Amino acid sequence: NAGVTQTPKFQVLKTGQSMTLQCAQDMNHNSMYWYRQDPGMGLRLIYYSASEGTTDKGEVPNGYNVSRLNKREFSLRLESAAPSQTSVYFCASSERGQAATIYFGEGSWLTVV
Amino acid sequence: AQSVTQLDSHVSVSEGTPVLLRCNYSSSYSPSLFWYVQHPNKGLQLLLKYTSAATLVKGINGFEAEFKKSETSFHLTKPSAHMSDAAEYFCVVSINTGGFKTIFGAGTRLFVKA
Repeated sequence: NAGVTQTPKFQVLKTGQSMTLQCAQDMNHNSMYWYRQDPGMGLRLIYYSASEGTTDKGEVPNGYNVSRLNKREFSLRLESAAPSQTSVYFCASSERGQAATIYFGEGSWLTVV
Repeated sequence: AQSVTQLDSHVSVSEGTPVLLRCNYSSSYSPSLFWYVQHPNKGLQLLLKYTSAATLVKGINGFEAEFKKSETSFHLTKPSAHMSDAAEYFCVVSINTGGFKTIFGAGTRLFVKA
């Protein structure tokens, strides 16, 4: 029962390098999300995809791009990593709807040096 | 503007004593309210949610929360803390403004002393 799977779990990047975080869900959810978590700031939405074929900016999209590859997969790309992007990243998915439960992956710890 | 405020960044209790984690919200829309728990190095997991049915909501692991519209609060309680409850807890508001918007509180870290 995998749920939401994201890779890699840990990554160290040098400033200016690029990388892609991969995410897949097996719950047939329409909506998928990428959040970042920083101490004392809760979770902040980077990008979301309400359904296959659509993506929208969240609260903190600068420096990131996303691709909704199909209904299962939603990737997050850092084109030119900066130290300010050091964070824990969570992929999540849900059905559409105000009362929908959001299901989270286990997180990806990214350090940019 | 819509917002969620968790009134305590840290709460410390002794094992076997009650837990109270406080959450206030502000919204012009009828909200759905959630509590999620995050154990160290893990993702968030749903504890319970309020969706305009009963105002007292029971969740997993003995937790419950009461929606009080007049006080715009959704406090999380548990009668008796267990060591395994030590984690970070997030109060979350979801509203429909024409599109769905989810707002996370900053989190409350719960410490449980033996």
